[in-house]
Amino acid sequence: GAGVSQSPSNKVTEKGKDVELRCDPISGHTALYWYRQSLGQGLEFLIYFQGNSAPDKSGLPSDRFSAERTGGSVSTLTIQRTQQEDSAVYLCASSLMGRGYEQYFGPGTRLTVT
Amino acid sequence: AQSVSQHNHHVILSEAASLELGCNYSYGGTVNLFWYVQYPGQHLQLLLKYFSGDPLVKGIKGFEAEFIKSKFSFNLRKPSVQWSDTAEYFCAVVGFQKLVFGTGTRLLVSP
Repeated sequence: GAGVSQSPSNKVTEKGKDVELRCDPISGHTALYWYRQSLGQGLEFLIYFQGNSAPDKSGLPSDRFSAERTGGSVSTLTIQRTQQEDSAVYLCASSLMGRGYEQYFGPGTRLTVT
Repeated sequence: AQSVSQHNHHVILSEAASLELGCNYSYGGTVNLFWYVQYPGQHLQLLLKYFSGDPLVKGIKGFEAEFIKSKFSFNLRKPSVQWSDTAEYFCAVVGFQKLVFGTGTRLLVSP
């Protein structure tokens, strides 16, 4: 595709529900990243997938957060038992292998937990 | 671990004023530094980057940044801002293949 796409663009959910956020990276990009943008917190790294290697999960804030990448392309970020502090914009980015310094960002998913 | 500090959280300028946004990084080795911009309602996009070579880097839309190793700084500058520069600006450094961002600076340019 032309760029990184994410869906949904907006998601409102009740506290305690599970949510899934989807990311479609640029075709041919083997690296995929998830970040979270919270008010006053800037952009926070969550998880990084690179090819078939084990993902770098060092940024996931709790075990309620998980992500997978199927077939080396589409990724899903899952947040279980959502809390109000999970409200943020979740950004996905992708890059070519070994070029983590050149990431292309998607439009983000705005998650609101009520 | 690398980290980035942006000390200006909100900046308000009039059109034609000069801009300088501060960015300091913590890592003492070889660094790759970036400035990203997010215009209202738009994607995060790359403004400019520094890998090596000339420490004065020129980016899109008249922006430039200067890498000063002795000061661990990578400040963003523009001699004359426009209303369309209203956006949020993020400084970032690459650490272990992932970007480490500063907290961002919201710039408001009044016409």
